[in-house]
Amino acid sequence: DQQVKQNSPSLSVQEGRISILNCDYTNSMFDYFLWYKKYPAEGPTFLISISSIKDKNEDGRFTVFLNKSAKHLSLHIVPSQPGDSAVYFCAASASHSGGSNYKLTFGKGTLLTVNP
Amino acid sequence: DTAVSQTPKYLVTQMGNDKSIKCEQNLGHDTMYWYKQDSKKFLKIMFSYNNKELIINETVPNRFSPKSPDKAHLNLHINSLELGDSAVYFCASSSPYDTQYFGPGTRLTVL
Repeated sequence: DQQVKQNSPSLSVQEGRISILNCDYTNSMFDYFLWYKKYPAEGPTFLISISSIKDKNEDGRFTVFLNKSAKHLSLHIVPSQPGDSAVYFCAASASHSGGSNYKLTFGKGTLLTVNP
Repeated sequence: DTAVSQTPKYLVTQMGNDKSIKCEQNLGHDTMYWYKQDSKKFLKIMFSYNNKELIINETVPNRFSPKSPDKAHLNLHINSLELGDSAVYFCASSSPYDTQYFGPGTRLTVL
């Protein structure tokens, strides 16, 4: 049972344009959402997160939007750069406010390719 | 200055063997995790330890036994390896209310 879904396995955009990566979830208990970026042969690295009490969080070129009623979040990268080419994982957790030991549930990832 | 390190990076072995993967973090975190990324690319949590105590155990076969000698180390021992154990195993660590930091992964291939 996939609780976190990334329905697009891949996305290709031109350098300088916007990249939009989407993620849907089914578990209403999720209250914290994260995006991780992964290069080949490396571990996932944290990119940006958002709590369920917010609907937007911005960090430089990266913005995450959360639509709780639709159980949908998206990651916007503007402007996209060739170095952004990687696999992007959406992840979610429940009871994040419980502190340590929170369990992350990951999507399958979307491979973003930014063409020069 | 690697934050979360794993050894070995690659591991090729025969079915039925026993093997271990080591993980160390120098971030001072209290909590460490093991994740498995299978051939379908799903990244799923296996175990979580907090201050050397097992907190999360996600329906993982008994052949998998994590061991935490101290809070900076979480090793994964696998007995009687099976073909289906072939995957990339990631270690991670975190502190309270913080994100999880991942190691580079160990690619295990069981022949």
